[in-house]
Amino acid sequence: GENVEQHPSTLSVQEGDSAVIKCTYSDSASNYFPWYKQELGKRPQLIIDIRSNVGEKKDQRIAVTLNKTAKHFSLHITETQPEDSAVYFCAASINWGNQFYFGTGTSLTVIP
Amino acid sequence: DAGITQSPRHKVTETGTPVTLRCHQTENHRYMYWYRQDPGHGLRLIHYSYGVKDTDKGEVSDGYSVSRSKTEDFLLTLESATSSQTSVYFCAISESGTSGREQYFGPGTRLTVT
Repeated sequence: GENVEQHPSTLSVQEGDSAVIKCTYSDSASNYFPWYKQELGKRPQLIIDIRSNVGEKKDQRIAVTLNKTAKHFSLHITETQPEDSAVYFCAASINWGNQFYFGTGTSLTVIP
Repeated sequence: DAGITQSPRHKVTETGTPVTLRCHQTENHRYMYWYRQDPGHGLRLIHYSYGVKDTDKGEVSDGYSVSRSKTEDFLLTLESATSSQTSVYFCAISESGTSGREQYFGPGTRLTVT
């Protein structure tokens, strides 16, 4: 099956700086890549996603890039704010989402 | 949040006892999933369903069974709970489509097996 690796496991940034989280996947058949944010004690929530026919997608301060050749995708958060502090998960999906494979998560701390 | 509820939200049970967790949705989505979340492992798929009475195994299905007799309900059963099944369990739903299926998660159930 698919194997998704996520780095780093923890990340601390100063407020206003950018944060980058990277994921790699193993199965070239994966074609849908969502990112989730999970605050402490809460459910994971979808924040952005990208499909394999697109190289980059932006939504305000959040962007995701996909390199299909290298089989990696990244989450970029600009102008970080304390409320961005959370655990972020990447995921990859084969066959249009019958199964999702998650990375192990990145704990982001934004220092005021 | 999408219309997804899980019950119970917290449960403590003893080793060897059967446990059933319930996921209920009001979105009429076709796909439903059960995940477990453990430190250092992220979210791992236990079982999923792609329609009433249609289910399949995920990557960590041993020791778990599921049933889906109605579109809105997806049950996860631990036939004989073990301490290794102490975890937070999340249900998720997604609708079918050809452009990728966004998943929406329920609030989670914290299960402790003593």
